[in-house]
Amino acid sequence: QKEVEQNSGPLSVPEGAIASLNCTYSDRGSQSFFWYRQYSGKSPELIMSIYSNGDKEDGRFTAQLNKASQYVSLLIRDSQPSDSATYLCAVTSMDSSYKLIFGSGTRLLVRP
Amino acid sequence: SAVISQKPSRDICQRGTSLTIQCQVDSQVTMMFWYRQQPGQSLTLIATANQGSEATYESGFVIDKFPISRPNLTFSTLTVSNMSPEDSSIYLCSVEAGTGGDEAFFGQGTRLTVV
Repeated sequence: QKEVEQNSGPLSVPEGAIASLNCTYSDRGSQSFFWYRQYSGKSPELIMSIYSNGDKEDGRFTAQLNKASQYVSLLIRDSQPSDSATYLCAVTSMDSSYKLIFGSGTRLLVRP
Repeated sequence: SAVISQKPSRDICQRGTSLTIQCQVDSQVTMMFWYRQQPGQSLTLIATANQGSEATYESGFVIDKFPISRPNLTFSTLTVSNMSPEDSSIYLCSVEAGTGGDEAFFGQGTRLTVV
């Protein structure tokens, strides 16, 4: 059973701090990695995609991928209360490149 | 990205009845996906809907319970049949688009409560 693991949280950080969200995956053949943000009662919203080892930055968000360690992370700089949400990590299955496997999500709380 | 319209946004249904959820995309897409998100849980793929062929169901999901239609490249429906309270979930339609070609985008979801 291919798995994506995330700490359920909540991860609580003060406003302005860096929030670090982590994800590990079991399928060594996974090629595509995604972070989604889901506000309560809403559908998931794509924040970042990353395909190669290293860092990828987009505004206040940085995704980090280490395929050797099967590890993906998301850093949120200058965290804002509006960043409070559940963050879902998703990876593609080696069985089929289009099939996404989601982690259970990490709930982030940004304290004003 | 793609604009995905899903309806109804929510419904309360009696057990034993069926509900059909519609998903409309603003562009033609090869595959459409249906997910379920049970309360407090993550997303689980129900099936992949392909135009012109039968849907492909994931382990634990069967066509009799979740029949899917895909009449064209912009539209799909998911029916939840013979509902029980255990079917109370959010059902999400998804398509892949974006610069990477495999980034998934979601409709607004359908919040289903079975009483």
